[in-house]
Amino acid sequence: RKEVEQDPGPFNVPEGATVAFNCTYSNSASQSFFWYRQDCRKEPKLLMSVYSSGNEDGRFTAQLNRASQYISLLIRDSKLSDSATYLCAVTNPLHTDKLIFGTGTRLQVFP
Amino acid sequence: DTEVTQTPKHLVMGMTNKKSLKCEQHMGHRAMYWYKQKAKKPPELMFVYSYEKLSINESVPSRFSPECPNSSLLNLHLHALQPEDSALYLCASSHATGGTEAFFGQGTRLTVV
Repeated sequence: RKEVEQDPGPFNVPEGATVAFNCTYSNSASQSFFWYRQDCRKEPKLLMSVYSSGNEDGRFTAQLNRASQYISLLIRDSKLSDSATYLCAVTNPLHTDKLIFGTGTRLQVFP
Repeated sequence: DTEVTQTPKHLVMGMTNKKSLKCEQHMGHRAMYWYKQKAKKPPELMFVYSYEKLSINESVPSRFSPECPNSSLLNLHLHALQPEDSALYLCASSHATGGTEAFFGQGTRLTVV
C-alpha cells in the first residue's frame, strides 16, 4: 500500500459545482497534513494546512479523519480558475522533515 | 509574501557537463529542501537541510551534490547526469522542520542530452 493515495481523476465539473477529494494515508502516526495546488508545468502552491479541527478558507474546506486515516478537500462554487491538480501531502512520523505527496487529483472545471 | 527563487528556470546540459542549480529565500526559514518531479508524478524528496546541516539524503546518487552555503541559499551541483535525470527540480523552504508548511520555488526544468 502506498503511503499516500489519491484518486487521480480527472474530475470534470461545471462552474458553480461543489467537488470533494479524498486522500488516504497509511501511517496512523502521521501528524501534519497539507493540500497543495499545482498548475501544469508550475510549482506546487500551498493551499491550506489541515488541522484536527478542520480548516476553512473561503470556498475551500479541509477536514482530517484520523479514525479512517484520510483527509478531504471540499471546493464550493467551483471557478474555471480552480482547474488544476490538487496534491495532498503528509509528513512521515519517523522523519517529520519528510513531506510525502500523493499522486494528485486532476480537477477540470468547465463553463 | 512567501518567495523562494530558483535559477535558472530552464537548463539543458550534456552528460559530461557540470552545472549548478541555485535556490534563495529571505523569509528566515531554517529548513530547505530539494525535490525532483517527473511529468505526471508527485514531487519526490531528495535532500533536506535543517539549520544549514544536511539532515536527510534520500539515497540520491552522488552525481547530485547539495550544498547550503548559508541559511538563505541552497545549491544543487550536477555532474555526469543521465537523460533519465531530466525533470523539474524544485526547491522549497519552511520555517522549521518537523511538519511545518513548505513553500516551493518555481523550479528548474532540466533536460539532460
